[in-house]
Amino acid sequence: AQKITQTQPGMFVQEKEAVTLDCTYDTSDPSYGLFWYKQPSSGEMIFLIYQGSYDQQNATEGRYSLNFQKARKSANLVISASQLGDSAMYFCAMREGRGDYKLSFGAGTTVTVRA
Amino acid sequence: DVKVTQSSRYLVKRTGEKVFLECVQDMDHENMFWYRQDPGLGLRLIYFSYDVKMKEKGDIPEGYSVSREKKERFSLILESASTNQTSMYLCASSFTPRTSGRAADTQYFGPGTRLTVL
Repeated sequence: AQKITQTQPGMFVQEKEAVTLDCTYDTSDPSYGLFWYKQPSSGEMIFLIYQGSYDQQNATEGRYSLNFQKARKSANLVISASQLGDSAMYFCAMREGRGDYKLSFGAGTTVTVRA
Repeated sequence: DVKVTQSSRYLVKRTGEKVFLECVQDMDHENMFWYRQDPGLGLRLIYFSYDVKMKEKGDIPEGYSVSREKKERFSLILESASTNQTSMYLCASSFTPRTSGRAADTQYFGPGTRLTVL
């Protein structure tokens, strides 16, 4: 079974608007971590934001915030005030448990920001 | 800043050749990982290593092997390259967190190697 599901292959957003990227996950482990990465056309994966399963508050990092709904097993990324440089592929990933540092990745969502 | 480097950005090899992909990190990270990335499939873990000379199979180890003789270097080896191994290969490294903390085990990635096997 897919551990991470990203249902939006591609999205368009107008510059300065907000965009939400969906991510749902599947795990029976009570301890897990959720990560979002950005991959520009250059290919390098850039870490954006992290949410731990026991974190009480939604994570925020600058223009990035994570809408964590534990009961729904969703961890959507919100990018506020989109910029042209936000055009990239975005990946959601999950690490299960405390002793295993492997990540499971979703298929990714391509975001194109329009001027 | 964490620096993960990979030996080549682009590589073209012939079927049956032995291929070495090198990855070096400069942050004294214990853990290192090799992924391949294919359109529509995201990143899939090939092998990973928790320590020098240690290796563990990931989700798709068939056709690959790895070597970790030094802490900072993790090599991916294609013993006999095949066309279905044409892909983007990404290396990553991370700490083993001593205490739970915010993104303590974040993986940091290299720029990737786009391998074409003809």
